[in-house]
Amino acid sequence: QKEVEQNSGPLSVPEGAIASLNCTYSDRGSQSFFWYRQYSGKSPELIMFIYSNGDKEDGRFTAQLNKASQYVSLLIRDSQPSDSATYLCAVNDPNYGGSQGNLIFGKGTKLSVKP
Amino acid sequence: EAQVTQNPRYLITVTGKKLTVTCSQNMNHEYMSWYRQDPGLGLRQIYYSMNVEVTDKGDVPEGYKVSRKEKRNFPLILESPSPNQTSLYFCASRHLLAGGPSYEQYFGPGTRLTVT
Repeated sequence: QKEVEQNSGPLSVPEGAIASLNCTYSDRGSQSFFWYRQYSGKSPELIMFIYSNGDKEDGRFTAQLNKASQYVSLLIRDSQPSDSATYLCAVNDPNYGGSQGNLIFGKGTKLSVKP
Repeated sequence: EAQVTQNPRYLITVTGKKLTVTCSQNMNHEYMSWYRQDPGLGLRQIYYSMNVEVTDKGDVPEGYKVSRKEKRNFPLILESPSPNQTSLYFCASRHLLAGGPSYEQYFGPGTRLTVT
């Protein structure tokens, strides 16, 4: 059973702080890694994707990937109350569903940014 | 505008009354999928499709049917809904490229279904 594990939280950080969200995955063959943000009752929206080891930055967001440790993280700098949401980590499963595989989603980490 | 649409957005029905939730995408995506989301259980895949006339079961297919007769549409059918199918349902789609990384997966706005 392929698994993507996330701490369910809630993770509470003060406004302006760095929020660090973590995710581990079980299949070493996974190549594609995504972070989605989901507000309560809304659909997930993609905020970051990363394919290679190392860091990838986009505005206040940085995704970090370590394939050797099977670990991917999301850093949110200068956190704002509007960042309060559930963050879903998703990883492709190359062994199920064709060459690209389905995406396996973690259950999400709930982030709360306090003003 | 590139989008995935779902209808209806909200539905309250009774046990046993057949229903269909439609899903349509305008991005010419090969891959489409249905998920349900329940508190504490995360997103669980119901069915997916790699292309027209190609569908396969996900993790929780019992009680659901799908079809993919056209590339843009992927309806979810509940032949005899039961209260345990009360949930928030999402349709999603993305491009497939053999040998390359996975592309972004787009989600529809969701359908909140209540079965009484």
